[in-house]
Amino acid sequence: GDSVTQMEGPVTLSEEAFLTINCTYTATGYPSLFWYVQYPGEGLQLLLKATKADDKGSNKGFEATYRKETTSFHLEKGSVQVSDSAVYFCAPRGSEKLVFGKGTKLTVNP
Amino acid sequence: AAGVIQSPRHLIKEKRETATLKCYPIPRHDTVYWYQQGPGQDPQFLISFYEKMQSDKGSIPDRFSAQQFSDYHSELNMSSLELGDSALYFCASSEGQGALTYEQYFGPGTRLTVT
Repeated sequence: GDSVTQMEGPVTLSEEAFLTINCTYTATGYPSLFWYVQYPGEGLQLLLKATKADDKGSNKGFEATYRKETTSFHLEKGSVQVSDSAVYFCAPRGSEKLVFGKGTKLTVNP
Repeated sequence: AAGVIQSPRHLIKEKRETATLKCYPIPRHDTVYWYQQGPGQDPQFLISFYEKMQSDKGSIPDRFSAQQFSDYHSELNMSSLELGDSALYFCASSEGQGALTYEQYFGPGTRLTVT
């Protein structure tokens, strides 16, 4: 079945720092790749997605590129804000269900 | 825009009791998914439905059952509750079964506490 290995947290950064959260996956077939974000006390929100090799998903300053050759989908942001503090989940979808990584908790300090 | 609605938002039950969680998908979405997220854990897939038929099954205990109704809403029935069932239960909906590119839109979750 599908699986995902996500960089473990927690990650603590200062405002305006550069963020990278690593994600590698194994999946049958040709999965779509998603990043979801969970703010404290809230549900899961789709952050970005990519559906084929070399696609770059982007939203709110976050980016991730679908790297089929390395089976990776690393999340990056050039300048984080305090409001980005949340838990981030990488999730490949090679079948009906999403398979979530363990989540990376990001805390951004002013 | 309309979102996925889950009810109740919070539920407290005692061991061995039963619970029913409800999910109302986004209009025109025909596929519903249920996930369970334990404290500090990643969400785990339980079960999904497409056009009122079960389409996939994950790590759902035999004590749990679910169904999708003609109006596409879904209910997750949980019996003989155990302390370990305490978790956040998410429902998600999407349009079109098997379309891997389609996003799953998540509801706010139902927080179940078993005492």
